[in-house]
Order: sequence, then structure tokens, then C-alpha cells
Amino acid sequence: EAQVTQNPRYLITVTGKKLTVTCSQNMNHEYMSWYRQDPGLGLRQIYYSMNVEVTDKGDVPEGYKVSRKEKRNFPLILESPSPNQTSLYFCASKGLPSTDTQYFGPGTRLTVL
Amino acid sequence: GIQVEQSPPDLILQEGANSTLRCNFSDSVNNLQWFHQNPWGQLINLFYIPSGTKQNGRLSATTVATERYSLLYISSSQTTDSGVYFCAGGSSYNTDKLIFGTGTRLQVFP
Repeated sequence: EAQVTQNPRYLITVTGKKLTVTCSQNMNHEYMSWYRQDPGLGLRQIYYSMNVEVTDKGDVPEGYKVSRKEKRNFPLILESPSPNQTSLYFCASKGLPSTDTQYFGPGTRLTVL
Repeated sequence: GIQVEQSPPDLILQEGANSTLRCNFSDSVNNLQWFHQNPWGQLINLFYIPSGTKQNGRLSATTVATERYSLLYISSSQTTDSGVYFCAGGSSYNTDKLIFGTGTRLQVFP
């Protein structure tokens, strides 16, 4: 089954404790992306990657890091989480240059105390 | 940047009713999609519809790209249709970054 998976699905942590949210897709997609969803602000892009070893900032990259060492994986790293990073996070992927649908993972609900 | 406006912001229906959700874009968009976010927060792909009309069961969508809007039709609504509906599209200079609307919150009561 074609899918995007994220782990963990739920996480409660404390300020400053480094964490990683994993994202994996099995569709051999080149493009992968992270979004965060906040009430009243909708979904905003954090980082994206056009292919292995190619990443770039989205609209709200501050406080986040990403890496793309393998085509299927695109982890999101919070080196020193803060309460304003409490949010619902989505990973997404799509093929390039196909004009096709973008597939979203199930979401990770993060709370930083 | 592109602004995406969705209407209505909230919609309350009784089971069996029909509804139309609208999405307006301030500029031309590519890769237009409609999503349903269920009460558990998951984003479900409904339609990839950069232009034209598509139907999937009780749902259908129409995009008029030249006039910068898209419509989502829900017929014979069911309680499981409840949730938030989003449209999203990419700009001409960055087609892969989806710009999301603020959503339409739909509640369907039995």
C-alpha cells in the first residue's frame, strides 16, 4: 500500500530535550516536505527536499533541522524544542516532475512543556 | 504570496442535505487539491483537480482555473463527512509547496 508514515504519532516532551520525528514513504517520491498546523494559521511549510541531499527552507524553518540521506526518509529534528513548537506536524511526498497529488502522513501531535 | 480564501468558514447540516464549499485564489495556482481532515487530525486526499470536474461517490469537485476558484460538492451528507475541508494549491513559481486555505468546518448531525 502506497503510504507516508510518521513516528511517533503523539509526543509530549519538555523544553530543550532534543527530539526527532521520522517520516518515510514507499512511493519512490523525490519530493518530501514538512508542514505544521496551528489554529488560525492553517498549514505552513517548514522544510522541503527535492531529492537526496537537497533540502531547502520553507516558510517557518526556525528551530528545525532536516536531513535527506535516503530517498525514502525525511526526518524532522528539533534540537532544542520550545513551547511555541507545540503543533500538529505533517510529512508529505510527491513525485517530480509529475503534476500529481501530494500524499500526507497521518500527523504527529507534539506538545512541548 | 498567494492568498486562499474558503467559504463558508462553518457549515452545519442535517444528514441527507447537500452542500457546496468554495475556494478562491488570489492568483493562478497549480496542483490544486481538496482534503478532508477528520476529527482525529488526519488529512485525507479527496481530489487532485487543477482544472475540470471529477466525481467520487457522493463527492465531486470543479475547478475553473481561469477564474481562480474551485468548488467541492457534497451530496446526501453523512455524519462521517464531519471535519474540516481544505483546498490547497501551488504557485506558478513553486508548484510543489502547497498553500492551504483556512478551511471549512463541517458538522453533520443525524
